[in-house]
Amino acid sequence: AQSVTQLGSHVSVSEGALVLLRCNYSSSVPPYLFWYVQYPNQGLQLLLKYTTGATLVKGINGFEAEFKKSETSFHLTKPSAHMSDAAEYFCAVSGYGGSQGNLIFGKGTKLSVKP
Amino acid sequence: ETGVTQSPTHLIKTRGQQVTLRCSSQSGHNTVSWYQQALGQGPQFIFQYYREEENGRGNFPPRFSGLQFPNYSSELNVNALELDDSALYLCASSLVGGRADTQYFGPGTRLTVL
Repeated sequence: AQSVTQLGSHVSVSEGALVLLRCNYSSSVPPYLFWYVQYPNQGLQLLLKYTTGATLVKGINGFEAEFKKSETSFHLTKPSAHMSDAAEYFCAVSGYGGSQGNLIFGKGTKLSVKP
Repeated sequence: ETGVTQSPTHLIKTRGQQVTLRCSSQSGHNTVSWYQQALGQGPQFIFQYYREEENGRGNFPPRFSGLQFPNYSSELNVNALELDDSALYLCASSLVGGRADTQYFGPGTRLTVL
């Protein structure tokens, strides 16, 4: 079975500080991994995804994530936080077999940015 | 290009009633997936439709059912509503529903069951 664990349900950073949101996955097949962001009262927006190839993936709004197979991790980073980054972030792994194409999400990390 | 739209935005029902939620997929997408997001949780996969056929189902009882129409829009029907069905229901569309496909989400329908 596949699963995603996001460490820290709530992360708070100061504006301009590094953002690090942690995601660990479990998968018995090569994983396809996604990060989505959800602003209040909105749906989910894709930030970036890893399928194959380069393990450092760049996304929108200055975010990037690195796939580390040995650590089963896919942490999301941004060098300098902006007030507009305050939102909830979800890491997900794509299903396979009978559940191919569905996404298995973590519980989310709420990011707060202090001025 | 029109994104994924959902209707209604909010809905209040009482226990035991039935509800239908609607989703219009993004132009050119033939796959629709439905997710339930309870308060404080990540979305959970309900089912996926590909070219009008159910193409995978999560751990939800049969009272959750769906349809996909020839124009690839979709409905989610929930019978015999329970209090625990209160959640944000998200629809997502993708090109072909493959593992690497990006799923584009709508804004969701907030269902409250009293």
